[in-house]
Amino acid sequence: EAGVTQFPSHSVIEKGQTVTLRCDPISGHDNLYWYRRVMGKEIKFLLHFVKESKQDESGMPNNRFLAERTGGTYSTLKVQPAELEDSGVYFCASSQVGMNSPLHFGNGTRLTVT
Amino acid sequence: LAKTTQPISMDSYEGQEVNITCSHNNIATNDYITWYQQFPSQGPRFIIQGYKTKVTNEVASLFIPADRKSSTLSLPRVSLSDTAVYYCLVAGYSTLTFGKGTMLLVSP
Repeated sequence: EAGVTQFPSHSVIEKGQTVTLRCDPISGHDNLYWYRRVMGKEIKFLLHFVKESKQDESGMPNNRFLAERTGGTYSTLKVQPAELEDSGVYFCASSQVGMNSPLHFGNGTRLTVT
Repeated sequence: LAKTTQPISMDSYEGQEVNITCSHNNIATNDYITWYQQFPSQGPRFIIQGYKTKVTNEVASLFIPADRKSSTLSLPRVSLSDTAVYYCLVAGYSTLTFGKGTMLLVSP
């Protein structure tokens, strides 16, 4: 089966611009998560979708970040306007329904804001 | 969410068995213990998960004592390709909290 795919793998933008990251989860996985690692820091949870609904968005840093999962399939994470501190690696993960189902991660999108 | 403590780094040689221990003193009744492996420029990859006693799969073994306040990931006969960061996570739900992980360096 195809794994979690993320696009683009790397994005370089200027401060103030907008960037949209995309995640395609494993087919059939209702749970979709976004995580972020800022340089030198730990991987931090951003939010969790169950199908198209936001289950938990407590990790979203501020209202410049908007995540959507229309139709309960792929998800997008938009940063608008981007700031320097948004630079980092954004990971997407998906899992099957059920508590403690292992997460399957994509290889991440490296975002550089200059 | 339970906080975990694990070594920052470990060194080993090819062919050796490596044991990485994680402390999670305030683990809750519903919490499972999950280990992930991460290579540079890749996302974390699930290795093994357990609740109590011992779990073994084709990649590793996970030992969990009766009090569940710690767990040990055991990698048999490591190879150079096992060089990676290993994360121990404890959660009752899938909103995982990653710590700093253990950087394992395997040398020839």
